[in-house]
Amino acid sequence: GAGVSQTPSNKVTEKGKYVELRCDPISGHTALYWYRQSLGQGPEFLIYFQGTGAADDSGLPNDRFFAVRPEGSVSTLKIQRTERGDSAVYLCASSSTLVNEQFFGPGTRLTVL
Amino acid sequence: GENVEQHPSTLSVQEGDSAVIKCTYSDSASNYFPWYKQELGKGPQLIIDIRSNVGEKKDQRIAVTLNKTAKHFSLHITETQPEDSAVYFCAAISKIGGNEKLTFGTGTRLTIIP
Repeated sequence: GAGVSQTPSNKVTEKGKYVELRCDPISGHTALYWYRQSLGQGPEFLIYFQGTGAADDSGLPNDRFFAVRPEGSVSTLKIQRTERGDSAVYLCASSSTLVNEQFFGPGTRLTVL
Repeated sequence: GENVEQHPSTLSVQEGDSAVIKCTYSDSASNYFPWYKQELGKGPQLIIDIRSNVGEKKDQRIAVTLNKTAKHFSLHITETQPEDSAVYFCAAISKIGGNEKLTFGTGTRLTIIP
């Protein structure tokens, strides 16, 4: 595809459940980022992949959050034992290693009831 | 780590007038400063960026200026149009251990009054 895609666009779950959010980056982009955006705020960094490895996961709030990128393309953000405070829009971005520009997907709106 | 502050939080301008949004950053090592436009229900869209080796960059009605000494950068939109209404975010690249992540400002909601 031409841009970054994310699925699902919306996810409603109950407190304590497990969720997976998927990101499909721009073809050929080796760097992939996850951000979280709360209402009325700017995106906040969660984790960054260079290829298959997590190069920087300093933004993950706690060990309930985990992300993988097994083949260096699609990435999945996994949240265990969801809490109401996890409700936010989860954004994915990708970039080429040659330049800094990060291109964002449309996001997944997660609502934890 | 990097801290980015953005002002104003809301801005209303008459169609055809100019809009200016200002940001400051804290990490003197930051060297890349993008601006994003976000419309309701969509992801941020990169509209312009500037690197630390230049002081100004222009793309049609949009321009960005950078003052490295003062650690601030600004977005200028001229001849504003209704479709410019959106939330605008500034950001700066923070490098930790050679890896890069964007630190965003808190956003400016721009409303163009027809």
